[in-house]
Amino acid sequence: GQNIDQPTEMTATEGAIVQINCTYQTSGFNGLFWYQQHAGEAPTFLSYNVLDGLEEKGRFSSFLSRSKGYSYLLLKELQMKDSASYLCAVDNYGQNFVFGPGTRLSVLP
Amino acid sequence: DTAVSQTPKYLVTQMGNDKSIKCEQNLGHDTMYWYKQDSKKFLKIMFSYNNKELIINETVPNRFSPKSPDKAHLNLHINSLELGDSAVYFCASSQVRQGVSGANVLTFGAGSRLTVL
Repeated sequence: GQNIDQPTEMTATEGAIVQINCTYQTSGFNGLFWYQQHAGEAPTFLSYNVLDGLEEKGRFSSFLSRSKGYSYLLLKELQMKDSASYLCAVDNYGQNFVFGPGTRLSVLP
Repeated sequence: DTAVSQTPKYLVTQMGNDKSIKCEQNLGHDTMYWYKQDSKKFLKIMFSYNNKELIINETVPNRFSPKSPDKAHLNLHINSLELGDSAVYFCASSQVRQGVSGANVLTFGAGSRLTVL
């Protein structure tokens, strides 16, 4: 079966660093994605990992370990506008993307 | 210019009615999708079309019928609406890369919030 787990909610303070974890078990793997979704809006692409290791993109970084079925999204220098849901998704081949339940991040002043 | 546009943005209707949601993408992508996001914010794939051909049809009641007249359009028709159909429906598209290591990034439309009373 397909299963992706993430914490449901997280809270952090403006300027801090937060790490959102994702574990997955899928029948296929063609890459792992992180999307950001603000309330009432569409998900937007943040990052992609297909090989093990860390991908850095400005304040956001994403890490993947395929052997452990594990990824995390690291957000640095948190800003209020980072309050959103963060969705972990696996490309399961065949244009079949499996999404996790999303982690709602609240950034407090 | 909106990359993936879907209409209507809001839809309020009575149980038992039939309704349609339209989606168009101007990105030149080959693949289009319908996702359903319920009140718990879980995004679940419903259908996927590649160049007008159905390639994914998840366990969705046959009251839901997708139609792709060309690769830039994917519409969703829902018959005999039920209370449980209330959700936000997202259209998305991607350019599938065959044999190339690269991201099949999904581009989403703004969503269509369906409320069934």
